[in-house]
Amino acid sequence: AQSVTQLDSHVSVSEGTPVLLRCNYSSSYSPSLFWYVQHPNKGLQLLLKYTSAATLVKGINGFEAEFKKSETSFHLTKPSAHMSDAAEYFCVVSRGAGNNRKLIWGLGTSLAVNP
Amino acid sequence: EAGVAQSPRYKIIEKRQSVAFWCNPISGHATLYWYQQILGQGPKLLIQFQNNGVVDDSQLPKDRFSAERLKGVDSTLKIQPAKLEDSAVYLCASSPFFGEGIYDTQYFGPGTRLTVL
Repeated sequence: AQSVTQLDSHVSVSEGTPVLLRCNYSSSYSPSLFWYVQHPNKGLQLLLKYTSAATLVKGINGFEAEFKKSETSFHLTKPSAHMSDAAEYFCVVSRGAGNNRKLIWGLGTSLAVNP
Repeated sequence: EAGVAQSPRYKIIEKRQSVAFWCNPISGHATLYWYQQILGQGPKLLIQFQNNGVVDDSQLPKDRFSAERLKGVDSTLKIQPAKLEDSAVYLCASSPFFGEGIYDTQYFGPGTRLTVL
């Protein structure tokens, strides 16, 4: 069965320092993986996705994630945090096939950015 | 391209009352999803439509929740009667149906925040 674990429920960084949000997954076959961001009182927005092409995926707002099959990880990074990055981040794995394909959501990581 | 539209944005009701939410997906998207997101948690899938057919409603509390997608476009989610524990944000999402990679990406609306008193 597919599942996803976000290793930190809360991460706090200073503005201008690197961001690392950790995600591990389990999947019986090559998965599709996503990171979504949710700003306060706003809808979910896709940051980036991995679908078995390049293992290093670049997303919006300077974020990127690397798919590491040997470590079953898909950590989200950004070289330099901005105040506007403060939000909830969700790691998501896709399971099933065809019409039965659905998303399995992590519990989320809350990112705080301090001035 | 217009995004997923939802209304209302906020709703406050008393327990045992009824409430309905509306969603208009991105034009041409075959798949539509309703999620419930309780404060501090990730989204929980309630129901998934492929065109106007139900693909998955395994987590929909069918004794009080119902959903329909007429003509494979707009959708409504209804709660009747509401309970205190239904207080949450109800998110609608849609996705296209081409290849698997594109098919997977879900585009979310702003959500409806429901408060049950």
